[in-house]
Amino acid sequence: AQKITQTQPGMFVQEKEAVTLDCTYDTSDPSYGLFWYKQPSSGEMIFLIYQGSYDQQNATEGRYSLNFQKARKSANLVISASQLGDSAMYFCAMREGQGGANNLFFGTGTRLTVIP
Amino acid sequence: DAGITQSPRHKVTETGTPVTLRCHQTENHRYMYWYRQDPGHGLRLIHYSYGVKDTDKGEVSDGYSVSRSKTEDFLLTLESATSSQTSVYFCAISESGVSQDTQYFGPGTRLTVL
Repeated sequence: AQKITQTQPGMFVQEKEAVTLDCTYDTSDPSYGLFWYKQPSSGEMIFLIYQGSYDQQNATEGRYSLNFQKARKSANLVISASQLGDSAMYFCAMREGQGGANNLFFGTGTRLTVIP
Repeated sequence: DAGITQSPRHKVTETGTPVTLRCHQTENHRYMYWYRQDPGHGLRLIHYSYGVKDTDKGEVSDGYSVSRSKTEDFLLTLESATSSQTSVYFCAISESGVSQDTQYFGPGTRLTVL
């Protein structure tokens, strides 16, 4: 089974609007971390936001927030007030366990296009 | 920005030749990782290191070896490159190995094997 599933290959959003990028995960480990990365056309992987499995509140970082629904095993990224520079690939990733250099499992990504 | 560099940034080579990619960090982080990125697969872990001379395999390690003789450097070697190893390779670092620890990525190396 896939550890991380991103079902939206591509999304479009109007500039200044909010957009939600979906991510579901699969794990039986009670301790895990969920991450979102942005990959612009230049190719680098930029860390955006992190949510821990024991965190009581949804994570927020500026215009980024993570809608964490533990029972549904979903960790959707919400980008508010979209900007043209938000056009990029977005990857959801998960890391399990408490010790060791645990693997970061990635989804296949969602390409977001912001329309002026 | 995390101090991670990768060299070379681009490389074209022929099938059967050895290739070494270098990752260098200035953060003194204990953990280092090599991933490959292919269309439709996201990023997949090749090998990782949890200290000098301490390495282990990831999910797609066949055909690759690694070495770490200094904290700051992590080398990925393709002993005999094949066309299936054409990919973009990313190095990442993290301070610890716990699930809450963020991995920061280098700029990537685009490798083409003809």
